[in-house]
Amino acid sequence: GAGVSQSPRYKVAKRGQDVALRCDPISGHVSLFWYQQALGQGPEFLTYFQNEAQLDKSGLPSDRFFAERPEGSVSTLKIQRTQQEDSAVYLCASSLLTATNEKLFFGSGTQLSVL
Amino acid sequence: GENVEQHPSTLSVQEGDSAVIKCTYSDSASNYFPWYKQELGKRPQLIIDIRSNVGEKKDQRIAVTLNKTAKHFSLHITETQPEDSAVYFCAAPNTGGFKTIFGAGTRLFVKA
Repeated sequence: GAGVSQSPRYKVAKRGQDVALRCDPISGHVSLFWYQQALGQGPEFLTYFQNEAQLDKSGLPSDRFFAERPEGSVSTLKIQRTQQEDSAVYLCASSLLTATNEKLFFGSGTQLSVL
Repeated sequence: GENVEQHPSTLSVQEGDSAVIKCTYSDSASNYFPWYKQELGKRPQLIIDIRSNVGEKKDQRIAVTLNKTAKHFSLHITETQPEDSAVYFCAAPNTGGFKTIFGAGTRLFVKA
């Protein structure tokens, strides 16, 4: 596609519900990142994939957060038993370059609201 | 760990004036410094970046300068236009992994 695509654009969840957020990176992009952006703040790193390998998950805030990219293309970020503090915009970014966080192309994000 | 400080948090300028946003970083091994522009409700977009082996880079009305010794870098926008109004984020890599550390952002208002 022309850019990084994320779905859904908005998600409202009740506290305790599980959610799954999808990211379609630019075709051919090897590197894929997930970021969390709280209101009025800069994006905060969650995790990094190089193809299907998750090389860095140091930013995941708890074991309720899980990400996968099984075929090295589409990625899913799953949040189990959502809490109100999980409310944020979740951004996906991809890059043609490997083993680097340079030249990132971001998606429009999924705005998650946990009630 | 890596820390990126960004100033000011809000900047208001008159159309045609220049705007300068400054950032400092803590990891002396950082070697790549991007700037992203994020309009309200939209995705962050890379507008310019600089590597540590150069001191300045320019692209039309925007420029970035880097002072490695002082560990700070700045974004300069000249002849500002209303469409420059957005939030601007500086960033620096955490050289111990794959994360990019973003500043808190500067909200730029360009008044017509």
